[in-house]
Amino acid sequence: AQTVTQSQPEMSVQEAETVTLSCTYDTSESDYYLFWYKQPPSRQMILVIRQEAYKQQNATENRFSVNFQKAAKSFSLKISDSQLGDAAMYFCAYRSNFGNEKLTFGTGTRLTIIP
Amino acid sequence: EPEVTQTPSHQVTQMGQEVILRCVPISNHLYFYWYRQILGQKVEFLVSFYNNEISEKSEIFDDQFSVERPDGSNFTLKIRSTKLEDSAMYFCASSVSSGRLHEQFFGPGTRLTVL
Repeated sequence: AQTVTQSQPEMSVQEAETVTLSCTYDTSESDYYLFWYKQPPSRQMILVIRQEAYKQQNATENRFSVNFQKAAKSFSLKISDSQLGDAAMYFCAYRSNFGNEKLTFGTGTRLTIIP
Repeated sequence: EPEVTQTPSHQVTQMGQEVILRCVPISNHLYFYWYRQILGQKVEFLVSFYNNEISEKSEIFDDQFSVERPDGSNFTLKIRSTKLEDSAMYFCASSVSSGRLHEQFFGPGTRLTVL
């Protein structure tokens, strides 16, 4: 079974600075997807960014980028130019690409933005 | 932009009572999911549903739980006899397919409180 680990329960960053959230996972599969979801205080989860395991290039979405290290099974999220609206719970998630659509989530990192 | 909706936003029930949580997935989506999040813990997969049948379920999804798509728009989760430990946030999600560009869109959740 796959597991996802987020070792930072809480992080804080000064507004306009850069912060990196860590995620590691364990799987024996070679083809899968990784996601970062944001859960603001309103509690609806929103997809931030995704990475396909067979792609070596790190995904980027505006201020959000990932550092995907497949051999190390590491998938960190970098948020540049942090904004107050980035304050949320961030979940790392894994999905297999072998007929199994469920998402396996980590325990989350609560990100606080300091004005 | 289309969204997944869930009703009610908050449900309070007595232990042993039946509850039905309702979800309206995005209209052209074909795959439906339920997840739950006990307060302070990670989001856990419960069940996935496709073509009017369960495609996968977790160990949590025991005989007390059932899902149904009673019409062309609603997707429901029924808990037959609620227990205190069923208190959680329940999230519905839907996706258009299970293909490589699969993305699950989440609803805002229903907070279930069992007294």
